[in-house]
Amino acid sequence: GAVVSQHPSWVICKSGTSVKIECRSLDFQATTMFWYRQFPKQSLMLMATSNEGSKATYEQGVEKDKFLINHASLTLSTLTVTSAHPEDSSFYICSAKVFQETQYFGPGTRLLVL
Amino acid sequence: RKEVEQDPGPFNVPEGATVAFNCTYSNSASQSFFWYRQDCRKEPKLLMSVYSSGNEDGRFTAQLNRASQYISLLIRDSKLSDSATYLCVVSRSGNTPLVFGKGTRLSVIA
Repeated sequence: GAVVSQHPSWVICKSGTSVKIECRSLDFQATTMFWYRQFPKQSLMLMATSNEGSKATYEQGVEKDKFLINHASLTLSTLTVTSAHPEDSSFYICSAKVFQETQYFGPGTRLLVL
Repeated sequence: RKEVEQDPGPFNVPEGATVAFNCTYSNSASQSFFWYRQDCRKEPKLLMSVYSSGNEDGRFTAQLNRASQYISLLIRDSKLSDSATYLCVVSRSGNTPLVFGKGTRLSVIA
């Protein structure tokens, strides 16, 4: 199947710093990328939907000024957690798809904010 | 009410056992249904799509009851490698985001 990568796979940072997570579709051009967050023992919660060249659509309760999403090309989307705080510590997962085809998930990024 | 609800689990079963997971969804407009598997600290991976007629893939059988808004997954002859969290997932169409259930954890014991 298609491959989606994420970088970094894990990050530890101090409270107040910003963290950028990259999501790449390696062997296909993704029309849409999604960003999810998963807290321990919880389900994946969609944060935002990102279409190449347009602004991301954020889910209710997700602050767009805190979670900046850039989808500059058909193979790359980035999520920046600005001024991260301990409550932002979570497992961030992206997924990518082409039109109505299957979504492929990246391996996830574990963020720990101290 | 959550959009997708699953058995809370965990299910602890011996090797070779048959185990069934249930899932209900609240949005009657849902059109696509899936079971994903998620291993600890890993991303979810598609196990199988679920069709109205029911479908089988080896030891795994999925069924959908649209009238009851109910989805099931049956695993026969459980293997140790089946130990994981099984996520029930729905979406309204191919262009809408996936909605995940909380997952049911399965532990297959030797």
